[in-house]
Amino acid sequence: SYVLTQPPSVSVAPGKTAKITCGGDNVGTKSVHWYQQRPGQAPILVIYYDSDRPSGIPERFSGSNSGNTATLTISRVEAGDEADYYCQVRDSSSDHRVFGGGTKLTVL
Amino acid sequence: QVHLVQSGAEVKKPGASVKVSCKVSGYTLTELSMHWVRQAPGKGLEWMGTFDPEDGEAIYPQTFQGRVTLTEDTSTESAYMDLSSLRSEDTAVYYCATGVGDSFDFWGQGTLVTVSS
Repeated sequence: SYVLTQPPSVSVAPGKTAKITCGGDNVGTKSVHWYQQRPGQAPILVIYYDSDRPSGIPERFSGSNSGNTATLTISRVEAGDEADYYCQVRDSSSDHRVFGGGTKLTVL
Repeated sequence: QVHLVQSGAEVKKPGASVKVSCKVSGYTLTELSMHWVRQAPGKGLEWMGTFDPEDGEAIYPQTFQGRVTLTEDTSTESAYMDLSSLRSEDTAVYYCATGVGDSFDFWGQGTLVTVSS
């Protein structure tokens, strides 16, 4: 089955840029979606189809996907961005959905 | 806008079964592919399967084959996740989730299932 790999943790100072990666075999040929999950809350979609933002998500959140790595970029990081972030794809061969292991973003 | 409301927390003994419901509003159930995702304490998100309203079939990852059953009742606009032969490792928050395309745009509030003797 398809596997997505994320770093367990990323730390960034307020106002700086955070990059969270999501690695997978030829993930650039798939559509990657990103979710933010704060403690005790359900996940929310922050990026879909690699780089689109749902309404209500700040422009500071952006995404890219190429080769074997998809990246979620959060610019001008704020304390409120501290959360767990998950990438997700649809494995077209099985129609199964796959999540990455998640990355805890810490704002220093 | 889709709104998903799940049933309340459950406590079950090992070997028992649990059925979690997810009521849909804002869209009709037949317009959506409902997915189920679980999250064990301190762990990541795990996809459990989906029900396709077009053919009435569900697909499950190998991890849950034979133990999970996804169903829907269009008369009550509710989706259901039934997990059998519960063990302590099934203690988790269970979510229903759906979206317009491949992403999960909308999530239920989650249902905590605790398996304990």
